[in-house]
Amino acid sequence: AQSVTQPDARVTVSEGASLQLRCKYSYSGTPYLFWYVQYPRQGLQLLLKYYSGDPVVQGVNGFEAEFSKSNSSFHLRKASVHWSDSAVYFCVLSAGNTEGADRLTFGKGTQLIIQP
Amino acid sequence: GPKVLQIPSHQIIDMGQMVTLNCDPVSNHLYFYWYKQILGQQMEFLVNFYNGKVMEKSKLFKDQFSVERPDGSYFTLKIQPTALEDSAVYFCASSLVVTGQLYFGEGSKLTVL
Repeated sequence: AQSVTQPDARVTVSEGASLQLRCKYSYSGTPYLFWYVQYPRQGLQLLLKYYSGDPVVQGVNGFEAEFSKSNSSFHLRKASVHWSDSAVYFCVLSAGNTEGADRLTFGKGTQLIIQP
Repeated sequence: GPKVLQIPSHQIIDMGQMVTLNCDPVSNHLYFYWYKQILGQQMEFLVNFYNGKVMEKSKLFKDQFSVERPDGSYFTLKIQPTALEDSAVYFCASSLVVTGQLYFGEGSKLTVL
């Protein structure tokens, strides 16, 4: 069985500062990994995804994430946050089931609060 | 970008009543999903649906739950009868291919009294 752990329920960062949101996964196979963001009163939106290849993947709005197989991690980073980045961020794992429709395993989410 | 629409955004019903949550997926998508999120908890997989059939369901998908997409219209989640523990936000999602990006709706908040 797979699982995703986001150890920080809430992270507070000053505007303009750098950011790292942590994500650890557990899965015996090769995972597909995603970061989704949920703004207030909106649906989840994909920030970035990792399937294979370069372990550092670039996403929208200056976000990037680094896959580490040895650490079973997929941390999200941004060099300089903006107040509009305030949202809940979900780390998500897919087992890549090609035999049928896929199911995703979600972390509990990290609420990002940007201080002025 | 592509949007998934969910109707209603919020519904309040009495325990034991039936409720239908509607989802209008992205137009050319083939795979459809329902996820459940209880306030403050993890988003959890309920069911996925392809080619008119349930492909996989979790233990949260109780016998009182059913899904269908008649004639390519709304993809619906029906709960009959509802229970207090069904109170949650239900998210619909769709994807074009099996391992493709999922597009999520804004959620339907269900409150069972």
